[in-house]
Amino acid sequence: QVQLVESGGGLVKPGGSLRLSCAASEFTFSDYYMSWIRQAPGTGLEWVSYITTSGSYTNYADSVRGRFTISRDNAKNSLYLQMNSLRAEDTAVYYCARTLVRGVIPDYWGQGTLVTVSS
Amino acid sequence: QSALTQPASVSGSPGQSITISCTGTSSDVGGYNYVSWYQHHPGKAPKLMIYDVNIRPSGVSNRFSGSKSGNTASLTISGLQAEDEADYYCSSYTSRNTLVFGTGTKVTVL
Repeated sequence: QVQLVESGGGLVKPGGSLRLSCAASEFTFSDYYMSWIRQAPGTGLEWVSYITTSGSYTNYADSVRGRFTISRDNAKNSLYLQMNSLRAEDTAVYYCARTLVRGVIPDYWGQGTLVTVSS
Repeated sequence: QSALTQPASVSGSPGQSITISCTGTSSDVGGYNYVSWYQHHPGKAPKLMIYDVNIRPSGVSNRFSGSKSGNTASLTISGLQAEDEADYYCSSYTSRNTLVFGTGTKVTVL
């Protein structure tokens, strides 16, 4: 059974930084793209970023481009999201998701980690 | 990238069928057969119910089916059950090599 466990969420002040991690198991991590998706309180799902199998290509939503950086370590079966210059509107539950190469389709999701940006 | 448009809520009685629409543009839904549907019970991980417009992953009930016409995709739930009460989101690959989600639909079983 695919396992994805996010960590690193918490309370941070506006302008601050946070690094999220996602530990993957029970599948061949290096064979899949990976994505981050978030859900702000009371709103719907918003795609944030994805990374290809080797990490050579990444893409971001306009709302986070230039502030967030996605990366992966295939040797450690881990996905990361470095979040800088955080804003109140970045407050959300952040999910990591295994992502199919065809169509960039997230097929398995973790339980999420909450990031709160507030002074 | 604007979110795909879904109705805010849909309801039905047990045993009935309901359909949720998902409207985008020719740069996303209409341009690719990479439309997916997710079921999300609050506090839990979203679950993939349909991908590639109409393909059910292993283990998903055949009461769930998907289709697409032009820039609008649809999810139909037949034989509605209490456990189907959840939020449902569509998503699509886009011409910018990104992913876009729908606004979400709350399904209520009366």
